[in-house]
Amino acid sequence: RKEVEQDPGPFNVPEGATVAFNCTYSNSASQSFFWYRQDCRKEPKLLMSVYSSGNEDGRFTAQLNRASQYISLLIRDSKLSDSATYLCVVNYRGRDDKIIFGKGTRLHILP
Amino acid sequence: EAQVTQNPRYLITVTGKKLTVTCSQNMNHEYMSWYRQDPGLGLRQIYYSMNVEVTDKGDVPEGYKVSRKEKRNFPLILESPSPNQTSLYFCASSLSPGVYGYTFGSGTRLTVV
Repeated sequence: RKEVEQDPGPFNVPEGATVAFNCTYSNSASQSFFWYRQDCRKEPKLLMSVYSSGNEDGRFTAQLNRASQYISLLIRDSKLSDSATYLCVVNYRGRDDKIIFGKGTRLHILP
Repeated sequence: EAQVTQNPRYLITVTGKKLTVTCSQNMNHEYMSWYRQDPGLGLRQIYYSMNVEVTDKGDVPEGYKVSRKEKRNFPLILESPSPNQTSLYFCASSLSPGVYGYTFGSGTRLTVV
């Protein structure tokens, strides 16, 4: 099983819809989790951390399910500007932080 | 403005010609890292540094060197570039990436012919 796995998509979603995607991770010792957003040919940008109790930032909600070892990102009322690739990131904390990036899920919001 | 600055943004070079990609951050971050991003392979860590004079190999260090003589700078050196090092490179910094996440530079698109 890959360390961090995401459905590559693309997800083609009409503007205004709600979209959700998951990310699974293999190491149960993983300690922190993030979602990043990456626009085409640009640098990844931190979207939000994922907390055990789940967290919300405007139209975005992130959740963690430790029992099933996945995190999720939900986007409500999607905008054209939400079109991007969303990267799941998992951190295993040993001697050093071991940051593992997923390969990303491409999202296209359609007008 | 808090940022990570990479230079150059685009570089085309020939096989075997030594090059350096510079990275500088103005956030006083201890942790800096280099990644390469290739289609279908995602982001892979090349080297990282937890502080001045401390560097460690990431997942794909072969063919690369780094140095961390000052806290703000973390250059990536390709002593003898080869075509398989054609890629999009990102420098990133953080106080602690597992806690705060990374701030990335704008990227360097390198082509080795």
